[in-house]
Amino acid sequence: TQLLEQSPQFLSIQEGENLTVYCNSSSVFSSLQWYRQEPGEGPVLLVTVVTGGEVKKLKRLTFQFGDARKDSSLHITAAQPGDTGLYLCAGAEVTGGGNKLTFGTGTQLKVEL
Amino acid sequence: DAGVIQSPRHEVTEMGQEVTLRCKPISGHNSLFWYRQTMMRGLELLIYFNNNVPIDDSGMPEDRFSAKMPNASFSTLKIQPSEPRDSAVYFCASSSRVAGGLDGTQYFGPGTRLTVL
Repeated sequence: TQLLEQSPQFLSIQEGENLTVYCNSSSVFSSLQWYRQEPGEGPVLLVTVVTGGEVKKLKRLTFQFGDARKDSSLHITAAQPGDTGLYLCAGAEVTGGGNKLTFGTGTQLKVEL
Repeated sequence: DAGVIQSPRHEVTEMGQEVTLRCKPISGHNSLFWYRQTMMRGLELLIYFNNNVPIDDSGMPEDRFSAKMPNASFSTLKIQPSEPRDSAVYFCASSSRVAGGLDGTQYFGPGTRLTVL
């Protein structure tokens, strides 16, 4: 079983601060996805990174896939209360039947005014 | 689009009872996934279907769990008999298979919060 460890597990910061969430694995994935989940809802896909070393930006969020495609990071600039939520990384492996996701342990982010 | 629909949203039952969770995927999607989320174990894939056929059920914890997809618009996850350790939020997700055999974006339903007393 492939494991994805996220750090930190919990993060409480003030509005305007920057933060970085890490997602690490000993396994190689064909792609890596980041999701955000709000209370009472299912996870929602933010981004998919496919190529080793790839960097993608989504407004104030910057996602990077490690060169070896085993790890990834999510950086948020000038965090806002609306960024509060559970952030999940998920590694994709291509199987005979399709694209199977293994989710990370999650990072609970709280941004306070 | 209505998105992935799950029912019920909340279920409270007693140990030993049968529980059936339901999912209606997004119309046109041909892959369906059942996940379980707990504080201790996070989000785990239980089983997934492609074109109504179970592809990988290695995540199903025990024989007490079973899943069916009788047609492209409906799936069930059944637990019989239920136990307190089955308490969790169960999510259904669907996606459409894209070129190269890969699944596209998975869209998650709102989940069913199951409590087994």
